[in-house]
Amino acid sequence: AQRVTQPEKLLSVFKGAPVELKCNYSYSGSPELFWYVQYSRQRLQLLLRHISRESIKGFTADLNKGETSFHLKKPFAQEEDSAMYYCALRPGATNKLIFGTGTLLAVQP
Amino acid sequence: KAGVTQTPRYLIKTRGQQVTLSCSPISGHRSVSWYQQTPGQGLQFLFEYFSETQRNKGNFPGRFSGRQFSNSRSEMNVSTLELGDSALYLCASRDGTSESTDTQYFGPGTRLTVL
Repeated sequence: AQRVTQPEKLLSVFKGAPVELKCNYSYSGSPELFWYVQYSRQRLQLLLRHISRESIKGFTADLNKGETSFHLKKPFAQEEDSAMYYCALRPGATNKLIFGTGTLLAVQP
Repeated sequence: KAGVTQTPRYLIKTRGQQVTLSCSPISGHRSVSWYQQTPGQGLQFLFEYFSETQRNKGNFPGRFSGRQFSNSRSEMNVSTLELGDSALYLCASRDGTSESTDTQYFGPGTRLTVL
């Protein structure tokens, strides 16, 4: 079965603290994984994709095929990082995205 | 470029009615996907259209249908509405020329309420 699991509905941290948003996936083939973010009153937008191996707004994510994980990390959280974060999987040869249920990140001042 | 637009933004219908939602992709984008977002099920893929052809379909009943026009604009139709169809319906467009580098751009959504 193709599935994305985000175990935390809410993650609350203080400004300057490290952040790790967890994402685990279930997929038998080679996955393509993404993190999408939705800031308050804004559209869902792509934050990063694993094949790009880039850091966006200080966030990074590494695909761990052994643990079937794609956790999102940032060493020092900022208040403007407060948003809903969705992990998504794209099965090979399709354009559909399978989303996790999302994690609300709240960065306290 | 203008972003993905969806109309209407809000819609209220009653059970048994049908509804049509519209999505205008970013200029030049040929692929349009639709998603349903509910508190209980989260974001679920409905279908994708590319150059007027449905390429992928999610696990939704036949009451959910869509189409794409030659200008890439897409419509989604839901017939015989049920209370459970109340949701935010998101449209996303992408260029469609490369699976590996395309980015999906999402619209603001249409909030459908079924009474």
